[in-house]
Amino acid sequence: EPEVTQTPSHQVTQMGQEVILRCVPISNHLYFYWYRQILGQKVEFLVSFYNNEISEKSEIFDDQFSVERPDGSNFTLKIRSTKLEDSAMYFCASKMLGTDYTFGSGTRLTVV
Amino acid sequence: GNSVTQMEGPVTLSEEAFLTINCTYTATGYPSLFWYVQYPGEGLQLLLKATKADDKGSNKGFEATYRKETTSFHLEKGSVQVSDSAVYFCALSANSGGSNYKLTFGKGTLLTVNP
Repeated sequence: EPEVTQTPSHQVTQMGQEVILRCVPISNHLYFYWYRQILGQKVEFLVSFYNNEISEKSEIFDDQFSVERPDGSNFTLKIRSTKLEDSAMYFCASKMLGTDYTFGSGTRLTVV
Repeated sequence: GNSVTQMEGPVTLSEEAFLTINCTYTATGYPSLFWYVQYPGEGLQLLLKATKADDKGSNKGFEATYRKETTSFHLEKGSVQVSDSAVYFCALSANSGGSNYKLTFGKGTLLTVNP
C-alpha cells in the first residue's frame, strides 16, 4: 500500500536555527498538508497546498514557516528560526479528491 | 468556526470491557466525520468515517454513527483488547468548496486496556 514518507523521524535543533522537514507524498496525490501535535495536545492544522500554492494556512503558520514542493515529489516544511514552542510532532499528509488522507508517521522536532 | 469536543481521558479498561468515547462537533455546512487512532510511536491512522447523517462507520469492531440531531459521533466497541490501547482522535472535515479539505481534530483520548 502506498505510504507517505517523512524524514527525519527525529530532529534536535538549537533555538534560532533553521530546520527543514521533508515529506514524500503519494505520487498521484494532489493535496498536501502539514499538521503538528504538541506533546499531549491535539493535532493542529498548519497549512494546505494545492496546485503549487498554499490554499489555506492557520494562524500558527506565520512568516517563520514556509512550504515548498521543489521537484514534484518532495514536500518540505521550513522553519526559519526555531523557537522552543516549535517543539512538536509534525505530520505530513496527502490525498486525492474524493479519497481519505494518508498521514506520514511524523517527525519529532525538539528545539533546545 | 469548526470545532470538535472529545471526552477527556485517560480511559482505563479491562480486556473485554465495553468502550464509549464521546465526540460532539460544531461545523458549518455538512461535515464528514472521522475517528483516527495513534498507536504508541506511530502516526495517525484512519479508523472509520461517516460522510452523511445516520451513516455508521465501522472497522475492527469499532463503530460510530453520525447523529446530526445531536451533532455527535461517539466511538464504541463491545469488547476491547489490550492491542486497542492507543490515542483516539475524533475529527471533522467541512468544506464549502475550494481546494482545502482540512481536518479539525479533537484533543484525543488515551485508552489503556489492561489484561
